[in-house]
Amino acid sequence: GIQVEQSPPDLILQEGANSTLRCNFSDSVNNLQWFHQNPWGQLINLFYIPSGTKQNGRLSATTVATERYSLLYISSSQTTDSGVYFCAVEQGAQKLVFGQGTRLTINP
Amino acid sequence: DTGVSQDPRHKITKRGQNVTFRCDPISEHNRLYWYRQTLGQGPEFLTYFQNEAQLEKSRLLSDRFSAERPKGSFSTLEIQRTEQGDSAMYLCASSREAEAFFGQGTRLTVV
Repeated sequence: GIQVEQSPPDLILQEGANSTLRCNFSDSVNNLQWFHQNPWGQLINLFYIPSGTKQNGRLSATTVATERYSLLYISSSQTTDSGVYFCAVEQGAQKLVFGQGTRLTINP
Repeated sequence: DTGVSQDPRHKITKRGQNVTFRCDPISEHNRLYWYRQTLGQGPEFLTYFQNEAQLEKSRLLSDRFSAERPKGSFSTLEIQRTEQGDSAMYLCASSREAEAFFGQGTRLTVV
């Protein structure tokens, strides 16, 4: 099956810093989503982005489908951005395959 | 629209007991999914419904697990004869087209 790798596994930054999270996938996909898992375990939708670039406030994402990767950018990080960020892809099998996540810690 | 709702949020059970979880999807979403997440891992797919039909089951879904979606609305996930290895977060998601939305999850602890 398709493999999804996220990097880095852990990232510690000071408030106000910018960060880039990467998601590589091993085959072509027809769906890619980025999620933020909050401390209570809920997955919050950030982006549905099978290709192209999207922006939402301080967050933006770019997926280059032909090169099988996606990037999530967080600018001017805040402590509330802390948590685990997941990339998940779908190959047409109607199920998402998740990466292992990037744990982001923003220190005040 | 209140999003995907799961009940209960937390469940502690003794080994060998049966447990049942409920998921209410976003209204008009015809697709419903169950995932399981263990500590430090990403969620793993368990099963998928389109309307009331269960179209796919993962090999992770042993014979002790059963899921239903009567009338294509809410869904239940039952685990019989729970084992300590069943301790995990059980996540439900729904979608109408491609983008999936998740509930808050049910955290199961088997003691």
